[in-house]
Amino acid sequence: GAGVSQSPSNKVTEKGKDVELRCDPISGHTALYWYRQSLGQGLEFLIYFQGNSAPDKSGLPSDRFSAERTGGSVSTLTIQRTQQEDSAVYLCASSPDGARTQGKLFFGSGTQLSVL
Amino acid sequence: EDKVVQSPLSLVVHEGDTVTLNCSYEVTNFRSLLWYKQEKKAPTFLFMLTSSGIEKKSGRLSSILDKKELFSILNITATQTGDSAIYLCAVGSVWIGANNLFFGTGTRLTVIP
Repeated sequence: GAGVSQSPSNKVTEKGKDVELRCDPISGHTALYWYRQSLGQGLEFLIYFQGNSAPDKSGLPSDRFSAERTGGSVSTLTIQRTQQEDSAVYLCASSPDGARTQGKLFFGSGTQLSVL
Repeated sequence: EDKVVQSPLSLVVHEGDTVTLNCSYEVTNFRSLLWYKQEKKAPTFLFMLTSSGIEKKSGRLSSILDKKELFSILNITATQTGDSAIYLCAVGSVWIGANNLFFGTGTRLTVIP
């Protein structure tokens, strides 16, 4: 079956532009996570969606970052007025049920964002 | 504050060596500890541990959890160049409806021929 799909795989943008990153989770997975990974660093939590519950946005670094998940499936992470420090790999992951599966996530291949 | 600390941050070994990677944690309402391998971009699942003292094993890799001392180790025996990767430790808590998974910064393992 299909895994977690992210697009684009690479995105180069100019400082100040807005970008949208897309994540298509595994069908039927109710939990969806976004992480950011800067070069040589670990995974920085950004936002977590669980079913129809309000998302946990506690990891979003500034109000330039937002995310939505439509119909409990596809998610879009939007970064407005990009800055050079936003350059990183943005990883999306899903799981059948965030609580029951106790953290076993299926990751996409990420979007490498480069802000010039 | 929940936190997961991995050590060492990086490690360089020769093929055939045995390595031990460490993960210690302070997480409220512990539920599980997981190890992932990240070779390029997408981390892939290795082990999930929920009980102390029970070793999980897969080929040359094994892992064990100590819930009293709040740590886990990941062992790799007879290392190969294909083991070169970042190894991530993550700890899950029981909170539902909020982020309940905390990652360490990872250990970068390099295996040289």
